[in-house]
Amino acid sequence: QSVLTQPPSVSAAPGQKVTISCSGSSSNIGDNYVSWYQQLPGTAPKLLIYDNNKRPSGIPDRFSGSKSGTSATLGITGLQTGDEADYYCGTWDSSLSAGVFGGGTKLTVL
Amino acid sequence: QVQLVESGGGVVQPGRSLRLSCAASGFTFSSYAMHWVRQAPGKGLEWVAVISFDESSKYYPDSVKGRFTISRDNPKNTLYLQMNSLRPEDTAVYYCAREPRSITMIRGVICDYWGQGTLVTVSS
Repeated sequence: QSVLTQPPSVSAAPGQKVTISCSGSSSNIGDNYVSWYQQLPGTAPKLLIYDNNKRPSGIPDRFSGSKSGTSATLGITGLQTGDEADYYCGTWDSSLSAGVFGGGTKLTVL
Repeated sequence: QVQLVESGGGVVQPGRSLRLSCAASGFTFSSYAMHWVRQAPGKGLEWVAVISFDESSKYYPDSVKGRFTISRDNPKNTLYLQMNSLRPEDTAVYYCAREPRSITMIRGVICDYWGQGTLVTVSS
């Protein structure tokens, strides 16, 4: 099991909005910053969001992040077929003194 | 442009050792912390190790602690992962990734650039 919990899959139609949740505890999400990664099939992960809600340059504002307590959320608006990918949340766990990732969420754009 | 190129993967028997390398270019390697992250076939990401820019700090999860060692050679712009006592569950694609922040007071895992990965298969 992963330390961070994500839904295995989400789906939505093109043009719609979807949210992906990431649930943790006070020692990881509750105490640290969350990042989100997109992994397209057969490729390395790509950083989408860092520090809970900041986007690296080049990441469109269709992608957003938020955090509340021990949970974080990735939002994607204006869904495109090219957004079909696996999405992972990650952070540091202060009790484990280790990095932790969620189990990943597969996004299907119907 | 930032480039990270992993090498050293392959097939190895359980209990044996392997050393992975990650050649960095396009940025001042000696100024950045670096991570190793792995992904077993068909599975999710698993964080493996992080090292500070000057090797003063290193962290590992319990799953590899005592078996894996992260190190770096700043003049050679190269990151390493020495893997000993390998187990079948260590089979995965291993990625190196750059951390843009100091890990002195680490508060997150930010992997802003990733390599393409190298596959390690542990099997008899």
